[in-house]
Amino acid sequence: DAGVTQSPTHLIKTRGQQVTLRCSPKSGHDTVSWYQQALGQGPQFIFQYYEEEERQRGNFPDRFSGHQFPNYSSELNVNALLLGDSALYLCASRPLAGHTGELFFGEGSRLTVL
Amino acid sequence: AQSVTQPDIHITVSEGASLELRCNYSYGATPYLFWYVQSPGQGLQLLLKYFSGDTLVQGIKGFEAEFKRSQSSFNLRKPSVHWSDAAEYFCAVAYKAAGNKLTFGGGTRVLVKP
Repeated sequence: DAGVTQSPTHLIKTRGQQVTLRCSPKSGHDTVSWYQQALGQGPQFIFQYYEEEERQRGNFPDRFSGHQFPNYSSELNVNALLLGDSALYLCASRPLAGHTGELFFGEGSRLTVL
Repeated sequence: AQSVTQPDIHITVSEGASLELRCNYSYGATPYLFWYVQSPGQGLQLLLKYFSGDTLVQGIKGFEAEFKRSQSSFNLRKPSVHWSDAAEYFCAVAYKAAGNKLTFGGGTRVLVKP
């Protein structure tokens, strides 16, 4: 049973560029969340998707957007990259129905903005 | 707003010694509480969780944690540390009323001396 998978694992961008990160949830999960983890800090909630809609959003600017597809996979898009966007981006999934709050995390996509 | 505090940024412990990591949360309602572990360059793995019931919970890898409502704490313990326990540990809280998004503490890095 595959867990949460993310791609790419590492990428380097320059300021002003745009980036798309991808996530496939764990089998049987239909809810996907994205977190940003800056170096030396705990993860910060970006947003959560289920039923192909953004359901909850953390304190992140509109440059951060997402999408969820019918197969429950998800993308995180960041426009107009800033140096401060350099971080590990973590995707997490859980089942919507009967869930216990536990999230299953992928290994992350490490973004470096130069 | 919900918040989590992990007062210790770094802890160094000798192999075989006991370990206790502190976690305090703020908010009025009864939370869902979690401890996650992150090895270098990896995603987050759930060690244990508390939702209700017995305030002493057992997790994987020999870890346990105790929920103390009066102190708003959820400290993690292990009686005898192994070298493989060297990692970063994150306490997290979620509230059903807040859509079950996870709020993480800043983490505690554990170093294990031989």
